[in-house]
Amino acid sequence: NAGVTQTPKFQVLKTGQSMTLQCAQDMNHNSMYWYRQDPGMGLRLIYYSASEGTTDKGEVPNGYNVSRLNKREFSLRLESAAPSQTSVYFCASSEATSYLKYFGPGTRLTVL
Amino acid sequence: AQSVTQPDIHITVSEGASLELRCNYSYGATPYLFWYVQSPGQGLQLLLKYFSGDTLVQGIKGFEAEFKRSQSSFNLRKPSVHWSDAAEYFCAVGVGYNQGGKLIFGQGTELSVKP
Repeated sequence: NAGVTQTPKFQVLKTGQSMTLQCAQDMNHNSMYWYRQDPGMGLRLIYYSASEGTTDKGEVPNGYNVSRLNKREFSLRLESAAPSQTSVYFCASSEATSYLKYFGPGTRLTVL
Repeated sequence: AQSVTQPDIHITVSEGASLELRCNYSYGATPYLFWYVQSPGQGLQLLLKYFSGDTLVQGIKGFEAEFKRSQSSFNLRKPSVHWSDAAEYFCAVGVGYNQGGKLIFGQGTELSVKP
């Protein structure tokens, strides 16, 4: 039981490049989330998926897109990366729309 | 506005000493409160939560927190710190159950432990 897994762990992009961050959970959770963590700002919600087939914007969705591929997987895409998107990205899941979330280990992204 | 403030960015304590990490929140309704810990290179792990009832809540790893409504605080405590407690600690308040279980996080407090 791996919980929430994220790939890659680290990534360096140039401005304008695109990439997809992958997230998978094996806890049969309905809801999944993407957060970004920036120094001195805590975690902020980018997008979430309350259930398979639905996605909604969080606090900071601009510059991102998401896909809930199936119940297990929730990906985050940066179409044209910008230096302001340099951050640590965390995926999380929960049984339903819930405050009790389980977090993955994070992806550290640097955009040059 | 809804917010969480952790006044201390960085705290250093000696191993075996007691610890208190401060958290103040701003939220109009009854809050759902959480403390998470993030070890280096790891994701966030839930230490404890307060939903209702007894205002002193116990968590994992020997941590406890006390909800004080009059002070809008939810401070985290541990009587005797271990070197393995060195990590970053986040306080959070649940503000939007119908918004994906929206949590607002504080800025975090980094804890260092001296031998």
